[in-house]
Amino acid sequence: QITLKESGPTLVKPTQTLTLTCTFSGFSLSTTGVGVGWIRQPPGKALEWLALIYWDDDKRYSPSLKSRLTITKDTSKNQVVLTMTNMDPVDTATYYCAHRQQQVVPDVFDIWGQGTMVTVSS
Amino acid sequence: QSVLTQPPSVSGAPGQRVTISCTGSSSNIGAGYDVHWYQQVPGTAPKLLIYGNNNRPSGVPDRFSGSKSGTSASLAITGLQAEDEADYYCQSYDSSLSGLVFGGGTKLTVL
Repeated sequence: QITLKESGPTLVKPTQTLTLTCTFSGFSLSTTGVGVGWIRQPPGKALEWLALIYWDDDKRYSPSLKSRLTITKDTSKNQVVLTMTNMDPVDTATYYCAHRQQQVVPDVFDIWGQGTMVTVSS
Repeated sequence: QSVLTQPPSVSGAPGQRVTISCTGSSSNIGAGYDVHWYQQVPGTAPKLLIYGNNNRPSGVPDRFSGSKSGTSASLAITGLQAEDEADYYCQSYDSSLSGLVFGGGTKLTVL
């Protein structure tokens, strides 16, 4: 059974860097075809894809946020970390991590974490 | 503005059939990229409903079906049930943006 869970601060100040951790079980990020992505959702608004990391350490980012995002993986800990710099109140959202379903193109997320709400405010 | 356009809301009575459209362009759906659909009950995480235009993950009822034609895709729900009341999102890939894109979401109300 695949599960994912996000963790990190619930409140960050403007200009600070956000670090979120996705801890997962039921799969390995060293297995060919596996990937983990991050998606966010501002209150009352639509989903927005942020980043995706693959088993071979290939990384993809949302072009509009690429300069602010870094995604990394720790295979031994079954964790994926997303950092977002220069946080702004418009970045207030629920942040989800999700498992990429293998062998499907374009990338699709079949299992999602419960999400973590991050508020950006001074 | 989302790259993929969905109607903000649709509604139907129990037992009826509803469809939700997802309109893209020549750089995403029209370029041949498949479309996926998610269901999100308010306050919960999205759930994959349809992948690859018309494939249902295990456990998704066959009341849900998807299709794609040209620059658009559609999600159809037959035999509407109260539990289907949720937000629905389409997702694909856009070659101009070089990234995954979601629709703006559609709120389904079961009357």
